[in-house]
Amino acid sequence: TQLLEQSPQFLSIQEGENLTVYCNSSSVFSSLQWYRQEPGEGPVLLVTVVTGGEVKKLKRLTFQFGDARKDSSLHITAAQTGDTGLYLCADSNNDMRFGAGTRLTVKP
Amino acid sequence: DTAVSQTPKYLVTQMGNDKSIKCEQNLGHDTMYWYKQDSKKFLKIMFSYNNKELIINETVPNRFSPKSPDKAHLNLHINSLELGDSAVYFCASSSASGGVFYNEQFFGPGTRLTVL
Repeated sequence: TQLLEQSPQFLSIQEGENLTVYCNSSSVFSSLQWYRQEPGEGPVLLVTVVTGGEVKKLKRLTFQFGDARKDSSLHITAAQTGDTGLYLCADSNNDMRFGAGTRLTVKP
Repeated sequence: DTAVSQTPKYLVTQMGNDKSIKCEQNLGHDTMYWYKQDSKKFLKIMFSYNNKELIINETVPNRFSPKSPDKAHLNLHINSLELGDSAVYFCASSSASGGVFYNEQFFGPGTRLTVL
């Protein structure tokens, strides 16, 4: 069974700061997805990464997939209060396993 | 236009009751899922349906049964509700069209079930 570990579990920062959250797997990802979930809503897909070493950018968010496809990071530049939420990584294999998430709070 | 919708949004019921949660997607996707998110926000897949066939069935109690009348709907029936069933249940859908299938999930807004 592949285990997905996300770190940190909680992160509280001031608006304007940069941050990085991580997702690590005990085995190789087939492909990896990042989702953001806001309170009271369902998760929303941010990105899918497939190729080892891949880097994708979505405005202030930068997603990196490790060369060995066993880890990924999400970096947010100049965080805004609207970035607050639960960030989940998932192995998009047929059984869709999710990590426990990083709960990010961005204070004004 | 709502892509994935669930009803009800909130469900409060007594232990031992039977209840259903409905899910509909208008994305034309061919696979639908049910997830359970516990109080610690851990999201775990319960079921998925592809072309009316169950393709994933995690180790959930058989009190839970998914029912798919057509490709756009996947309802969740729960019999003999227990306290531990209290959670937020999410419906999701994905598409295998286009020859590339990354299981990208489109989630509904969730149904918060409280069993008293």
